[in-house]
Amino acid sequence: SAVISQKPSRDICQRGTSLTIQCQVDSQVTMMFWYRQQPGQSLTLIATANQGSEATYESGFVIDKFPISRPNLTFSTLTVSNLSPEDSSIYLCSVDSGGNTGELFFGEGSRLTVL
Amino acid sequence: GDSVTQMEGPVTLSEEAFLTINCTYTATGYPSLFWYVQYPGEGLQLLLKATKADDKGSNKGFEATYRKETTSFHLEKGSVQVSDSAVYFCALRKSNSKLTFGKGITLSVRP
Repeated sequence: SAVISQKPSRDICQRGTSLTIQCQVDSQVTMMFWYRQQPGQSLTLIATANQGSEATYESGFVIDKFPISRPNLTFSTLTVSNLSPEDSSIYLCSVDSGGNTGELFFGEGSRLTVL
Repeated sequence: GDSVTQMEGPVTLSEEAFLTINCTYTATGYPSLFWYVQYPGEGLQLLLKATKADDKGSNKGFEATYRKETTSFHLEKGSVQVSDSAVYFCALRKSNSKLTFGKGITLSVRP
């Protein structure tokens, strides 16, 4: 299984600022996924990030609001821009297990509170 | 599109009670099915999985059987413990596509 480290684990930010979340994996992976978990809700995919190409965003999510970098096969960042209280969520990085069962491994998440 | 429906929660049980958490799905093709668990203050962990019809996934006393005829993947445990208190998510995934989650259900187990 992959070990995924996310930073920061939590942060409190002011409205209008931005937060960048880092995701480091202990092995090389092709596909990385960024999910959002709003309070009391399920997980929603924001985008899929493949190394060497632009991230693919899900409906309702745009690059200007959630820019993503994927500079190599073990690292990615998600930035949440122009923060508003509605962005208060847990943001999770995940990676494909690489096997044929399709399971994903998840980081412990980054809890963002916007004041 | 693909979707996962879980029974409404929360669920509160006494220790050693039998647990069933219902999950049904809508998908074309042949998805893999998963149960993930989120313990208080921790990240999301895979609990069990099944990749084809009639497969049974099992782990930590939990079981779920992939039922294609009823498009279901219900989670069961014969005797729950206080340590099973967590949020449980049913999910599906087709090859190389996104993992689609249900809404999740909170389980609380009383001593």
